[in-house]
Amino acid sequence: GAGVSQSPRYKVAKRGQDVALRCDPISGHVSLFWYQQALGQGPEFLTYFQNEAQLDKSGLPSDRFFAERPEGSVSTLKIQRTQQEDSAVYLCASSREPRFGMNTEAFFGQGTRLTVV
Amino acid sequence: LAKTTQPISMDSYEGQEVNITCSHNNIATNDYITWYQQFPSQGPRFIIQGYKTKVTNEVASLFIPADRKSSTLSLPRVSLSDTAVYYCLVGTGFQKLVFGTGTRLLVSP
Repeated sequence: GAGVSQSPRYKVAKRGQDVALRCDPISGHVSLFWYQQALGQGPEFLTYFQNEAQLDKSGLPSDRFFAERPEGSVSTLKIQRTQQEDSAVYLCASSREPRFGMNTEAFFGQGTRLTVV
Repeated sequence: LAKTTQPISMDSYEGQEVNITCSHNNIATNDYITWYQQFPSQGPRFIIQGYKTKVTNEVASLFIPADRKSSTLSLPRVSLSDTAVYYCLVGTGFQKLVFGTGTRLLVSP
C-alpha cells in the first residue's frame, strides 16, 4: 500500500487479556518505530527496529510489552496481561533511512486505539 | 535531539495567519529544524524542514533567524482543518523522533 497500515484500528481488551497489534510499514523502509500516545500527550517512543534487528527498546514500559519484526517488514507489538494504564493509542511509523537528517521523514499509521476495561 | 520549547496552545480564527515559535537555544551546527502536524485520530505527519533562512512549501513556511536559536512555523490563512497539534523537533543523525507535547492549535469559525 501507499502508507503505513495498522490493525486493528480499535481494540477493547479485558484486563489481563493479551493483545497483538500489527503494523505494515511502507515497503522497503529500513526503520520501524512504535509509539504510545496517551490522551492529550505527544507520542512516547517505545521501540525501534532497523530491518529485523531491534536496536532500541528503551521505551517499553514493562516486560509485558514485546515487539518483533522477524522478516524486516511487518511488525507486531504484543502486550501481555493488559492493565488499564495500557489504554492508549499505539502508533507505528516507518522511515526509509536508518537515521533522520535532511529530507528524511517518518511516515505514521493511523494508530490502534486500545481500551482496557 | 536538542531541547525545544513551544507554546502549549494557540487559538485563531479562519482566514488569519498563525505563527508558532519554537525556541531551541542549544541547537548544534549540523541540526535541522523539522515540524510535524498531527490531526485528531491520526498519526503525526511531516510538514516542513529547514536549516536556515526561509523555507516554503504548499502547507507552510518556516522562518529561521541567523542565530538559529528559534524558528517560526507560519500557516497562512488558516481554515478549520488546520486545527491540529504541531510539534517542533531539532536535530540530525538521530535514530528516533522524540516528541514533546507540541502546540495545540484551535481554529474557530
